[in-house]
Amino acid sequence: AQSVTQLDSQVPVFEEAPVELRCNYSSSVSVYLFWYVQYPNQGLQLLLKYLSGSTLVKGINGFEAEFNKSQTSFHLRKPSVHISDTAEYFCAVSEDYGGSQGNLIFGKGTKLSVKP
Amino acid sequence: NAGVTQTPKFRILKIGQSMTLQCAQDMNHNYMYWYRQDPGMGLKLIYYSVGAGITDKGEVPNGYNVSRSTTEDFPLRLELAAPSQTSVYFCASSYSNRLTGGYEQYFGPGTRLTVT
Repeated sequence: AQSVTQLDSQVPVFEEAPVELRCNYSSSVSVYLFWYVQYPNQGLQLLLKYLSGSTLVKGINGFEAEFNKSQTSFHLRKPSVHISDTAEYFCAVSEDYGGSQGNLIFGKGTKLSVKP
Repeated sequence: NAGVTQTPKFRILKIGQSMTLQCAQDMNHNYMYWYRQDPGMGLKLIYYSVGAGITDKGEVPNGYNVSRSTTEDFPLRLELAAPSQTSVYFCASSYSNRLTGGYEQYFGPGTRLTVT
């Protein structure tokens, strides 16, 4: 069965520093990968997704993620964070059943706290 | 477009009471979902629907019921509220084509439910 592990529950970082939020998954078939962001008291918003092709995916707000099939990882990065990036970030995976798509499985989330 | 809307935003229930959480989308998406979010646990799928008249259980369906009579609406029913159902509930929708995958889900703002 598929699963998603976000290795850090909380990541504190200073403003303008780089950040990496780690995500590993397990699955016996091909997968689609997503990162969502949740600002306080709001719903989830898509940051970026990997479907196929280039393993480096760029998203909104300067975030990017790299799909590494051999390490079954999909880590999220930003070279310079802002106070406004303070939020909870969720990695999610769904399995590819030869074109159709399984339900999303979410990690437990990583709270990014950007300090001035 | 309003996207995905949810009502109410907040609700306090007494044990044993019942209520319906409303969800509507105006994007003509065929798939709709209900999740619950508990602190540190990510999102868990309660029920989902692949189209009007078709629903299926997710990971944590016990204590909940759903119906889907129209494309736009997907209400979630709690029949006998229990303290374990205290959570934040999110509705989401997506467009899925069985020939291709990689769809993203669009989330509503959530309903915060407390059962005492």
